[in-house]
Amino acid sequence: SYVLTQPPSVSVAPGQTARITCGANNIGGESVHWYQKKSGQAPVLVVYENYDRPSGIPERFSGSNSGNTATLTIRRVEAGDEADYYCQLWDSSSDYVIFGGGTKLTVL
Amino acid sequence: QVQMVQSGAEVKKPGASVKLSCKASGYTFTGYPIHWVRQAPGQGLEWMGRISPNNGDTTYTQKFQGRVTMTRDTSITTAYMEVSRLRSDDTAIYYCARDPFFSTDAFDIWGQGTVVTVSS
Repeated sequence: SYVLTQPPSVSVAPGQTARITCGANNIGGESVHWYQKKSGQAPVLVVYENYDRPSGIPERFSGSNSGNTATLTIRRVEAGDEADYYCQLWDSSSDYVIFGGGTKLTVL
Repeated sequence: QVQMVQSGAEVKKPGASVKLSCKASGYTFTGYPIHWVRQAPGQGLEWMGRISPNNGDTTYTQKFQGRVTMTRDTSITTAYMEVSRLRSDDTAIYYCARDPFFSTDAFDIWGQGTVVTVSS
């Protein structure tokens, strides 16, 4: 069964690019989803199936997935992007949903 | 609009049970699985299981098997999750979420969350 590894924290200055990784063996063969979780709010899906964006999510949010790493990229970071970000996939071997441990994005 | 509205906060004693509800509206209730996810204080998101509203089929993680029961009432488009034998480490915010992504399990609409506090 998958264990998804995320860095605990990522810091970036406003206007710069943030990259949040999600690592697992051969994750490139899976569909990975990303959520933004702000304190006191429910999670919000920002990228699904590796690189697609739900309606209403800014184009600044993008995803990629290859080899052993999936990546959420946030361009032109804004103060309002400060949140915890979680990767997630469905493990077909167990039929379980797996979440990464989460990454706290700090906007300096 | 599509939304999921959860029941209010609960305070329970250790060993008790709690039954949470999740009222769905704005879409065909039987069309999409509903999942339950929790977040304990200071912790990450933890998936608990899913229910298929069309036939009631359920999947629970091994951690919660035997202690969690997911059900639904299609007549009122509501999903339920009951957690029994509560412990202090069950203190968490519990979310329901809709999954319209067949075979990849992603969640596009979430309830607002229900705070469950387990304390003697």
